[in-house]
Amino acid sequence: DADVTQTPRNRITKTGKRIMLECSQTKGHDRMYWYRQDPGLGLRLIYYSFDVKDINKGEISDGYSVSRQAQAKFSLSLESAIPNQTALYFCATSGQGFYNEQFFGPGTRLTVL
Amino acid sequence: AQSVAQPEDQVNVAEGNPLTVKCTYSVSGNPYLFWYVQYPNRGLQFLLKYITGDNLVKGSYGFEAEFNKSQTSFHLKKPSALVSDSALYFCAVNQAGTALIFGKGTTLSVSS
Repeated sequence: DADVTQTPRNRITKTGKRIMLECSQTKGHDRMYWYRQDPGLGLRLIYYSFDVKDINKGEISDGYSVSRQAQAKFSLSLESAIPNQTALYFCATSGQGFYNEQFFGPGTRLTVL
Repeated sequence: AQSVAQPEDQVNVAEGNPLTVKCTYSVSGNPYLFWYVQYPNRGLQFLLKYITGDNLVKGSYGFEAEFNKSQTSFHLKKPSALVSDSALYFCAVNQAGTALIFGKGTTLSVSS
């Protein structure tokens, strides 16, 4: 079984709809992250959480919110989706310490029409 | 602010030839540097990292990277490329900050 899972894997929605992307991990890590990937722009950090009670904004948090329901679960919400939020979204986890590598989920491809 | 640059959008190499994917970084202190690979329709996979010590770091699938502090570079290398190495490669840096900062990625294309 995959260590980091994301649901759904693909989602098509309309402008103005509320969308939730979910992430679960079985690695026992405290730290979790949400990134979006756009062609030619690499990965950009949306939000990150270093433990259940810790939530921090990343580089591009506007239009997004997150919830850390448990150590293993970190969800990303788009309150009112817009077309320029069409992207590939990745969840990642890591152990404590900035020298630790991150482990990524398979991604969610989101299309906002 | 810390940043990472991958100056080449695409690198083309013939199978069996050596390959280099370039990465330069900008941080105010000592960096933690990473390379990841992304195959089509997959998430990112960790290849290798530099924390401290030996400037030549060996990683998965025969890849290695050389840390050069004076040139602020961390180029990814492999002595003999395989067609299966074709993928999107990302360099990333973390300097005791928040989370990884990624470069924009370099597409490696290995021809047979």
